[in-house]
Amino acid sequence: GNSVTQMEGPVTLSEEAFLTINCTYTATGYPSLFWYVQYPGEGLQLLLKATKADDKGSNKGFEATYRKETTSFHLEKGSVQVSDSAVYFCALRGNTPLVFGKGTRLSVIA
Amino acid sequence: GAVVSQHPSRVICKSGTSVKIECRSLDFQATTMFWYRQFPKQSLMLMATSNEGSKATYEQGVEKDKFLINHASLTLSTLTVTSAHPEDSSFYICSAPKRGGRYEQYFGPGTRLTVT
Repeated sequence: GNSVTQMEGPVTLSEEAFLTINCTYTATGYPSLFWYVQYPGEGLQLLLKATKADDKGSNKGFEATYRKETTSFHLEKGSVQVSDSAVYFCALRGNTPLVFGKGTRLSVIA
Repeated sequence: GAVVSQHPSRVICKSGTSVKIECRSLDFQATTMFWYRQFPKQSLMLMATSNEGSKATYEQGVEKDKFLINHASLTLSTLTVTSAHPEDSSFYICSAPKRGGRYEQYFGPGTRLTVT
C-alpha cells in the first residue's frame, strides 16, 4: 500500500539556517505529493504540492521537487525564520485519501 | 482560505461515557468530510469518510459502532466516541475538501480526547 516516511524530529535550527526535511514515499501509480504545515494551536494547512514527476512546488520560501527516480519529495528552505516553527507533514494521494508521514517538528530559535 | 472548526478543542471524560466532537465548515459547503486520528509522534490515520445524506465509510479496523459519524448538514459532521475507554484517548482531526479545490483539504484544529 501507499506510505510516506519522513525524518523524525525535532529539528532545532538557528534563524537564517538552511532547512531540509527528508520525505520518501512508496506508492503504486503516479501519486500527487504534498507538504502540510501545522502551526501551534491551528489546523493543518497546505504548504505546497506537486502533481507529477519533476514538478517543483514552492510557497513562502519553501520548495520541494517531485523526484520519481528516488521516490522523494524533500522540503527545503534557504533561510528559516522563527515564524516557521511548526510541525511539517509530508503526504501523498494516489487513488486513495491522503496518506501522511509522522510529521517533523521544527523549532527555529533567534 | 477556507476554515474548518472543531468543538471542543479538549475534552476529558470518564470511562464508559460517550463524547461528541463537532466539525464545521465555516465558509463553504462540504458534502464529504474526513475524520483522522493521531497518536503521539505518529502520522494521521484516516478513520472514516463522512458523507452528507448517506452512511459514513469506515477504514479497515475502525469500529463503526464505537465511532458513530453523522453528517447532519452540508456544514456539519459529528463524531461520537461511544463507551469511551482510555485507549480511545487521542487527537482527533477532521478535514473537508472544498468544491473546486481539487487537491486541497482544509483541516480543523483537532480535538484532544482524554479518557480517564
